Amino acid sequence: AQSVTQLDSQVPVFEEAPVELRCNYSSSVSVYLFWYVQYPNQGLQLLLKYLSGSTLVKGINGFEAEFNKSQTSFHLRKPSVHISDTAEYFCAVNGGNKLVFGAGTILRVKS
Amino acid sequence: NAGVTQTPKFRVLKTGQSMTLLCAQDMNHEYMYWYRQDPGMGLRLIHYSVGEGTTAKGEVPDGYNVSRLKKQNFLLGLESAAPSQTSVYFCASRTRRLRDTEAFFGQGTRLTVV
Repeated sequence: AQSVTQLDSQVPVFEEAPVELRCNYSSSVSVYLFWYVQYPNQGLQLLLKYLSGSTLVKGINGFEAEFNKSQTSFHLRKPSVHISDTAEYFCAVNGGNKLVFGAGTILRVKS
Repeated sequence: NAGVTQTPKFRVLKTGQSMTLLCAQDMNHEYMYWYRQDPGMGLRLIHYSVGEGTTAKGEVPDGYNVSRLKKQNFLLGLESAAPSQTSVYFCASRTRRLRDTEAFFGQGTRLTVV
């Protein structure tokens, strides 16, 4: 069975500072990993995905994530955040028919 | 591009009433999912379907039923609503092709049970 743990429920950060949102997963099969973003009162949008190949994945809006198989992690990073990045971010794993999500991390960007 | 469409967007039910949420996708996706989102708990899988005529239980299936009579539609039913089912419900779909395996989401249905 697959599971996802997002280690921080909320991350406050000042505008233009770097940020890292942490995600650890467990799975008994090959995994495909995703980060989604949810803006207030909206559905989820895909930020980036890891299927295979290079462990550093670049996504939209300047985000990137690194797949680390030995540490079973898939942390999301951005070198300089903007106010508009304020949202909830979800890590997800797809190791079969199901798509399993973490509890989410609320990123609050302050000016 | 409609993508994934959920109806209704909002609904208030009284305890014990029944209702059906409809999810429709126009991308010819094989897999469809129903999730509920509650604060601090992320998205929890209720039921899912890997193809027309097939459904399976997810993490929190109790109190819900589903049907997938047509490939493009996935219905979620509440036979006797309870206040614990107050939540935001999301439908998602995806193809089974590996390279396109991310899920696409609807805009959500906000359900309140009083």
